[in-house]
Amino acid sequence: DAEITQSPRHKITETGRQVTLACHQTWNHNNMFWYRQDLGHGLRLIHYSYGVQDTNKGEVSDGYSVSRSNTEDLPLTLESAASSQTSVYFCASSPGQPADEQYFGPGTRLTVT
Amino acid sequence: AQSVTQLGSHVSVSEGALVLLRCNYSSSVPPYLFWYVQYPNQGLQLLLKYTTGATLVKGINGFEAEFKKSETSFHLTKPSAHMSDAAEYFCAVRDQGGKLIFGQGTELSVKP
Repeated sequence: DAEITQSPRHKITETGRQVTLACHQTWNHNNMFWYRQDLGHGLRLIHYSYGVQDTNKGEVSDGYSVSRSNTEDLPLTLESAASSQTSVYFCASSPGQPADEQYFGPGTRLTVT
Repeated sequence: AQSVTQLGSHVSVSEGALVLLRCNYSSSVPPYLFWYVQYPNQGLQLLLKYTTGATLVKGINGFEAEFKKSETSFHLTKPSAHMSDAAEYFCAVRDQGGKLIFGQGTELSVKP
């Protein structure tokens, strides 16, 4: 079955370290998204991509970067992790038509100490 | 610009009672609207969506929502709550660029 996976599921890192969170989907979806979820803030969009080599900044992109070298993967990199980036991160994908919903991965819980 | 407001960050109902979760949206174009559910330690799962056509939309697990353009609302209902419905629920509107704008979420508790 097609799916969307995230790894690792849990990560503890230290302030200042570079961290990369992986997202992989097997639906061949054009659109991919990264969100963070924090209590009281719902889901906030970090970065998104509408296809290979396309990346765009979302609402809370400072301190994060993404790259899209193929259809299946959109890794999220924290260049220099900060305690404010402790959060749960969700990746999502969608085919790209207006009525299409987004399909979410299981999430990565990141703690920055 | 599109936006979503969910009224009530926490709703508590008794098992068997009506569930009503409120969502109001703002959109400059005909909206595409979504309800997602998130169970503890899981990702979001689509409950239902409104795109065009019938304004009463039926989803999974007995949930439904009605699109009311005049009230800019898309409230989620279920006639009889079950313990397994306890979760967080998110309303979302699609913006013109294809992104989803989410509400803050409503946590539903179900009392036995």
